[in-house]
Amino acid sequence: DIQMTQSPSTLSASVGDRVTLTCRASQYISSWLAWYQQKPGKAPKLLIYKASTLESGVPSRFSGSGSGTEFTLTISSLQPDDFATYYCQQYNSYRTFGQGTKVEVK
Amino acid sequence: QVQLQQSGPGLAKPSQTLSLTCAISGDSVSSNTAAWTWIRQSPSRGLEWLGKTYYRSKWYTDYALSVKSRITISPDPSKNQFSLQLDSVTPEDTAVYYCVREASAARPFDYWGQGTLVTVSS
Repeated sequence: DIQMTQSPSTLSASVGDRVTLTCRASQYISSWLAWYQQKPGKAPKLLIYKASTLESGVPSRFSGSGSGTEFTLTISSLQPDDFATYYCQQYNSYRTFGQGTKVEVK
Repeated sequence: QVQLQQSGPGLAKPSQTLSLTCAISGDSVSSNTAAWTWIRQSPSRGLEWLGKTYYRSKWYTDYALSVKSRITISPDPSKNQFSLQLDSVTPEDTAVYYCVREASAARPFDYWGQGTLVTVSS
């Protein structure tokens, strides 16, 4: 199985901050990576797929980059609605998720 | 707009079978591009992909190695739905179960069901 490792586990930030979340794959996955946002009691929401393609309706302050084994999700200016947990997921071979990064209020 | 509506019991006894159904509206279980998936989430295991069914001139299924010996995902084209059966459950199978559409090979999990908390307990 391909393992996905996210860092940090928790990130404390303020509204307006630029935040960067990291995801590493245990083996090469090309650009077959997605990012999701999840709020308590809700299903995950697709934000980005194919490493850098923004899902329709997702604000442009979200962006993704990377390929191979190293990927990042950047929120250019954190908004109150963005405090949530973020997951990366690979779909190069089977499907596996990272353990999540919780973005909390500083 | 695609909607996925889950149904099924929220309690299963150890050693028995967990069964859930997902009714699809706004798309077809027989789509030639989408795949129909079950994912679960628990504090101990995080988000875990269990498997999928999809139609590409014939029906296919893929299962996670961790549950391959115990899982069946079945399409029902007559009702436009698909189902999950997980055999021989233990308390480790306690989780929120989601049915999810994988839109295409390039675009993964875009529509999710509401989630069903299934507790395995006697």
